[in-house]
Amino acid sequence: DVQLVESGGGLVQPGGSLRLSCAVSGFTFSTFSMNWVRQAPGKGLEWLSYISTTSRAIYYADSVKGRLTISRDNANNALYLQLNSLRADDTAVYYCARGGHFGDYSDYWGQGTLVTVSS
Amino acid sequence: EIVLTQSPGTLSLSPGERATLSCRASQDFGSSYLAWYQQKPGQAPRLLIYGASVRATGIPDRFSGSGSGTDFTLTISRLEPEDFAVYYCQQYGSSPRAFGQGTKVEIK
Repeated sequence: DVQLVESGGGLVQPGGSLRLSCAVSGFTFSTFSMNWVRQAPGKGLEWLSYISTTSRAIYYADSVKGRLTISRDNANNALYLQLNSLRADDTAVYYCARGGHFGDYSDYWGQGTLVTVSS
Repeated sequence: EIVLTQSPGTLSLSPGERATLSCRASQDFGSSYLAWYQQKPGQAPRLLIYGASVRATGIPDRFSGSGSGTDFTLTISRLEPEDFAVYYCQQYGSSPRAFGQGTKVEIK
C-alpha cells in the first residue's frame, strides 16, 4: 500500500525554523513528483511547493518563496521541507502528497503534521 | 498567476439530491489540468477527479467532472451521507498550483 508519513511538526517560536520530513513506502519514490500543501486551522488548502523526480524542477508559492526549501532523497525514499523565519500565519497542518501518474495532481496524501508557531 | 474561484461557498442539500459545484479560473490555462479533491473533518484530502473529467481509482461513478478553458464543474449525481464534505479544485498546469477556496456541501 502507498504510505506517506510526515514528521517534524510541533511548537516553534516565531522567527525560528523547522524541517519536516515525509517518509514514503509502497511505491517507487524516484519515479513520482511530490508536493507540499498546508492548511491553516479552519481554512482551505494552500499549495506550497513542487519537486520533480530528479529535483531539476522546483516551484514555490509566492507566500513562502525565499523562506521555504523543498528537497528529496530518492535513495532513502524521503521528502523534506525546510521553512525559515517562521511567523504565526505559518501555523498549519502540513501535508506531503504524491504527484499523479498522468500529471502533477496529488493522488496520495499523508495524514499531515501540525506546526504551531507561537511564543 | 491563475486564481481559482469556487462557487457556491456552501451548498445545502439533502441525501439523494444532485450537487453541482463550480470552479472558475481567472485565465484559460489552455488545458484540462484540473483536479478535484474531497476533504472530511480531521482527514487528509482525497483525490476525486484529475484531467478535469477522469475519476481517480476507486471513486464512485456518481462523481463526475466536466469543463475546459476557464469553467469547470464537479457533479455528484445523488448525494450519499458520506459525500457531505468540503470540495476543492486545483489547477496543476502551471505554477503556482493553486487551490480554489473550497465548497462545503452540508446536509440540509
